[in-house]
Amino acid sequence: GAGVSQSPSNKVTEKGKDVELRCDPISGHTALYWYRQSLGQGLEFLIYFQGNSAPDKSGLPSDRFSAERTGGSVSTLTIQRTQQEDSAVYLCASSSLSGVYTEAFFGQGTRLTVV
Amino acid sequence: AQSVTQLDSHVSVSEGTPVLLRCNYSSSYSPSLFWYVQHPNKGLQLLLKYTSAATLVKGINGFEAEFKKSETSFHLTKPSAHMSDAAEYFCVVSDLGTDKLIFGTGTRLQVFP
Repeated sequence: GAGVSQSPSNKVTEKGKDVELRCDPISGHTALYWYRQSLGQGLEFLIYFQGNSAPDKSGLPSDRFSAERTGGSVSTLTIQRTQQEDSAVYLCASSSLSGVYTEAFFGQGTRLTVV
Repeated sequence: AQSVTQLDSHVSVSEGTPVLLRCNYSSSYSPSLFWYVQHPNKGLQLLLKYTSAATLVKGINGFEAEFKKSETSFHLTKPSAHMSDAAEYFCVVSDLGTDKLIFGTGTRLQVFP
């Protein structure tokens, strides 16, 4: 596609339920990132994929969070047993190469609200 | 570990006056640095990036940034602010080992008429 696509754009869920957030990167982009942005905060790194493997999972806040990427393309971020502190905007980005000067393109994000 | 510090959480300027958003980085080697902008209810957009080819980097919408190794700084400037510049600005460093983008906490720019 033309850009990074994330779905759903908004998700309201009850505390304790599981949610899945989807990211479709730009076609051909090998690197994919997940970030979390809480209200009034900066971006918190969650996980990074190069192809289907995740060299850096250091940002996942707890074992309730997991992510996978299949076919070197679509990625899913899953949050189990959601808590109110999980409420945030979850942003996905992709880039064409692994490399320090490579620009990352961001999606519009999924706004997750846990009630 | 690499990190960035944005020295101001909020900056307010009048339309037509210069803009200065400050960023300092910490890195044990030559970093790659970016500035991203986030307008309300919109996605993050790259303003400019430092690629080591030139220390003064020009970006979109009249913004530029100067890489100063001696000061470990990468401040963002614009000669004349426009109302449409009101947004959140993030200074970002790329981790050489992992390609992870490390974001600063952001600076909210307000522009008054």
